[in-house]
Formats: sequence, C-alpha cells, structure tokens
Amino acid sequence: GAGVSQTPSNKVTEKGKYVELRCDPISGHTALYWYRQSLGQGPEFLIYFQGTGAADDSGLPNDRFFAVRPEGSVSTLKIQRTERGDSAVYLCASSSRDGSGYTFGSGTRLTVV
Amino acid sequence: QQQVKQSPQSLIVQKGGISIINCAYENTAFDYFPWYQQFPGKGPALLIAIRPDVSEKKEGRFTISFNKSAKQFSLHIMDSQPGDSATYFCAASYNFNKFYFGSGTKLNVKP
Repeated sequence: GAGVSQTPSNKVTEKGKYVELRCDPISGHTALYWYRQSLGQGPEFLIYFQGTGAADDSGLPNDRFFAVRPEGSVSTLKIQRTERGDSAVYLCASSSRDGSGYTFGSGTRLTVV
Repeated sequence: QQQVKQSPQSLIVQKGGISIINCAYENTAFDYFPWYQQFPGKGPALLIAIRPDVSEKKEGRFTISFNKSAKQFSLHIMDSQPGDSATYFCAASYNFNKFYFGSGTKLNVKP
C-alpha cells in the first residue's frame, strides 16, 4: 500500500486481557518504529526495528510489552495483562534505512476498561 | 528528563496572521529537528524539518528558525488559514533512531 497501515483502528479490551496490534509498513522500508501517544501528549518512543531485529527497545515501559517483526516487514506489538493505564493511541512509523521517507500510520486507539 | 519542551500549549490566531510555536531541546547530539502536523484521528504528518547546520529553512508559508547556541527552534506559519487548525509537534532525533516529541500545540485559526 501507499502508506503505513495499522490494524485494528480501534480496540477495546478488558483489564487483564492480552492484545495484539499490527503494523504494515511502507513496502521496501527496512526500519519500523512503535510509539505511544497518550491523550493530549506527544508520541513517546517504544521500540525500533531495523530489519527483523529490535535495534532499540529502551522505550518499552515494562515486560508486559513485546514486539516482533519476524520477516522484516509486518510488525506486531503485544501487550499482556493490559492495565487501564495502557489506554492510548499506538502509532507505527516506517522509513528507509537512512531515515528517509519517515511516515506514521493513523494509529490504533486502545481502550482498556 | 523531558528532552524537548514545547510552548505554547494552545494558540488562537486570526486568519492571515502569523502563528509561532517554540521548542527547546536538551541533547546537543540531536541532528534532525522536524515539525509534525496532526489532525484528530490521524497520525502525525511531516511538515518541515531542519538540520543544525542551517539557521533557517522556508517551505511555502512554513519557516523553521534554528538557534543552535540557545538550543531552541521555532515554527512560523505565515498567512495562517483555518485549514491550518491542528495540533503541531516539534521533535528531535539523533540519526533517526527515534524521535523525542514535544507535548504539542493546539492551533486554532479563526476565520
């Protein structure tokens, strides 16, 4: 596709449940980034992939959060034992290796009730 | 420690006026400073960006002014239009590995 695609666009889950958020990057982009944006705030970095490997996961808040990119394209952000504080918009971005074409998706709005 | 501080939190400007948003950063290793525009329900979209080796960059009605010694940069929107009403974020990065975003400025351009 022409842009970064994130699914689902909205997800409501109960506290304690497990969720998976999917990101389809722009074709050919080797770098993929996950951010979290809380209401009224700027995006906060979570994790960055270059190819299949996580080059920097310093932004993951705790071990309930995990992300994979097994084939170097689609990525899945996984959240275990969700908490109400996890409610936010989760944004994915992708770029070429040198950072050019850095583009954000529209995000997944996660609500934990 | 917040790496990028942005002000004001909100801004109201009359159509045709100049909108000015300011940011300050901490890390002198940052080498890329973009501004993003975000509409409700959408992801941030790149507006304009600057490297620290230049003091100003202009693209259409949008200008970034950069002051390396003060570790500050600002976005100027000339001839502001109602369609410019959105939330604007400054950001900074080192080598594109990750962006540090400001807290955002909600701009309202009144017709």
